[in-house]
Amino acid sequence: NAGVMQNPRHLVRRRGQEARLRCSPMKGHSHVYWYRQLPEEGLKFMVYLQKENIIDESGMPKERFSAEFPKEGPSILRIQQVVRGDSAAYFCASSPMEGNTEAFFGQGTRLTVV
Amino acid sequence: RKEVEQDPGPFNVPEGATVAFNCTYSNSASQSFFWYRQDCRKEPKLLMSVYSSGNEDGRFTAQLNRASQYISLLIRDSKLSDSATYLCVVSYQSGGSYIPTFGRGTSLIVHP
Repeated sequence: NAGVMQNPRHLVRRRGQEARLRCSPMKGHSHVYWYRQLPEEGLKFMVYLQKENIIDESGMPKERFSAEFPKEGPSILRIQQVVRGDSAAYFCASSPMEGNTEAFFGQGTRLTVV
Repeated sequence: RKEVEQDPGPFNVPEGATVAFNCTYSNSASQSFFWYRQDCRKEPKLLMSVYSSGNEDGRFTAQLNRASQYISLLIRDSKLSDSATYLCVVSYQSGGSYIPTFGRGTSLIVHP
């Protein structure tokens, strides 16, 4: 049973470009969470999705950020017109149930905006 | 979003020492509690769940005090390999959904 798969592991974008981060949850998991971790900071919740639905996006910036989890395929976190402050590690986690059970994390995508 | 507070440390201890971390949370309706471990530039990994009755896994013991709203992690006989950041996680109900919410983490450095 493969774990949570994120790709790419490292992503470099110039200011103003778009970044697309992918997350394939563990087999059998239909709940996906995205977190952002700035250097020397904790993990900040961004968005919680189930298949084809955004359940809670209270941690997402209002502009430039969007997320989806289609019926088929991985969950995508999309950042438009990236700025230097978007540089961070973005972690995806999945669980078989809602957040009252442990979540399993992918290895993260390290986004660097130059 | 409700807060999860941890002492960032670092806790600098010799091998073989016993060290304890505490974590406080602000929402008394929180449902689930966990300790995760994060090594430098790696993903968080589940260390153990925390139950009201307390639980132990080898050298690690976790306790939950609902009345005082804090969670503890005790590590006995520290090893060099225990050096990491320990993350306290509390699941809050938000708008009908449970969201795992992380503390900033407590850094542990075990030295020879």
